[in-house]
Amino acid sequence: DVKVTQSSRYLVKRTGEKVFLECVQDMDHENMFWYRQDPGLGLRLIYFSYDVKMKEKGDIPEGYSVSREKKERFSLILESASTNQTSMYLCASSPGLGKVIYGYTFGSGTRLTVV
Amino acid sequence: QKEVEQDPGPLSVPEGAIVSLNCTYSNSAFQYFMWYRQYSRKGPELLMYTYSSGNKEDGRFTAQVDKSSKYISLFIRDSQPSDSATYLCAMTTLTGANSKLTFGKGITLSVRP
Repeated sequence: DVKVTQSSRYLVKRTGEKVFLECVQDMDHENMFWYRQDPGLGLRLIYFSYDVKMKEKGDIPEGYSVSREKKERFSLILESASTNQTSMYLCASSPGLGKVIYGYTFGSGTRLTVV
Repeated sequence: QKEVEQDPGPLSVPEGAIVSLNCTYSNSAFQYFMWYRQYSRKGPELLMYTYSSGNKEDGRFTAQVDKSSKYISLFIRDSQPSDSATYLCAMTTLTGANSKLTFGKGITLSVRP
């Protein structure tokens, strides 16, 4: 069964901390995405990556960075966590060029609380 | 105007009801349409996808696309408490080197026993 695994289900961090959210997929997918999901706002794309060491900004990249050193792993970094970054974070992956019709496979999410 | 609009809900129905979930979109280049289901504290899962206008049926679920009206729907027949979840529509242009999905905000459905 194909999987996208997010390293933590729940995290509580303090304001100002540097936070790492890890995501690993075992499907040899080219594309990986990071979203945050908030009530009333839906899914908002933070960053995405089409290939190893490549990254592109999504709709709300401010305060975040990403790293993709290996094809299967895509990390989201909160450089200095703030309370407005309290949210559900979802990682997703999809096959590569021309295969968006197969949709995305999502992880189970990380509920991050910044206090 | 947002590219994809979805009824905000929430929606509560009795068990056995027929449910209609709808999305409208503004980008006529969208060609491929999907519905995702998201249970509480889980990530979204692909439920159905369709390419052309018309209906596609899968068990109790029917996805309908009307490209002329830029309107898509998901119908659930004989709804069950296990259908209680958030439903998100998604769509893409299928063009471009790495076209992405554009999601609706989702609607939360509750089916009462």
